[in-house]
Amino acid sequence: DAKTTQPNSMESNEEEPVHLPCNHSTISGTDYIHWYRQLPSQGPEYVIHGLTSNVNNRMASLAIAEDRKSSTLILHRATLRDAAVYYCILTRFGGSQGNLIFGKGTKLSVKP
Amino acid sequence: DSGVTQTPKHLITATGQRVTLRCSPRSGDLSVYWYQQSLDQGLQFLIQYYNGEERAKGNILERFSAQQFPDLHSELNLSSLELGDSALYFCASSPGRGSTDTQYFGPGTRLTVL
Repeated sequence: DAKTTQPNSMESNEEEPVHLPCNHSTISGTDYIHWYRQLPSQGPEYVIHGLTSNVNNRMASLAIAEDRKSSTLILHRATLRDAAVYYCILTRFGGSQGNLIFGKGTKLSVKP
Repeated sequence: DSGVTQTPKHLITATGQRVTLRCSPRSGDLSVYWYQQSLDQGLQFLIQYYNGEERAKGNILERFSAQQFPDLHSELNLSSLELGDSALYFCASSPGRGSTDTQYFGPGTRLTVL
């Protein structure tokens, strides 16, 4: 499975945009890029996913580099509730297993 | 609320004992996954069931077993418990077999082995 690399931690101020980077230099053509986050004392929750094009939803935007070797999760206006560990995960279309492989993720702190 | 329920929320037991964790997936989801989260190992995949059949296995110990019932709920059985089994156990569900499906996680069961 292709690996991802994320910074251990990041800080943001409330109501400012946050850009969370993820490197996946060994990504293959059928790998989807997923982002999940885990708020304190909760189970992980889905944020967004994409294959090649940039994606937007009510929670965030996902910007995917043209060569797909990196991506950035964008929170447009961080709130205190966005403080969580963010995981960037690759999954392969048609893969024999459906499980997610979690790394250490990026711990995002949001300052008021 | 993800729609995935897990019981119990907390479980405290002694070494050597056996416990059963229960998970009800979202309505209509056919896959159930079990993950373990400990402080030193992070989130680790244990096992996946799809429509009653085992589909994938991760780092699941032989002392642990799981099954998915005809109504699609799942149980994770942990036996001969050791101190190191203390962890959060999450269940997730997805509509299909997985690979690129979105997974919806339950709130978890916190197991403490004394």
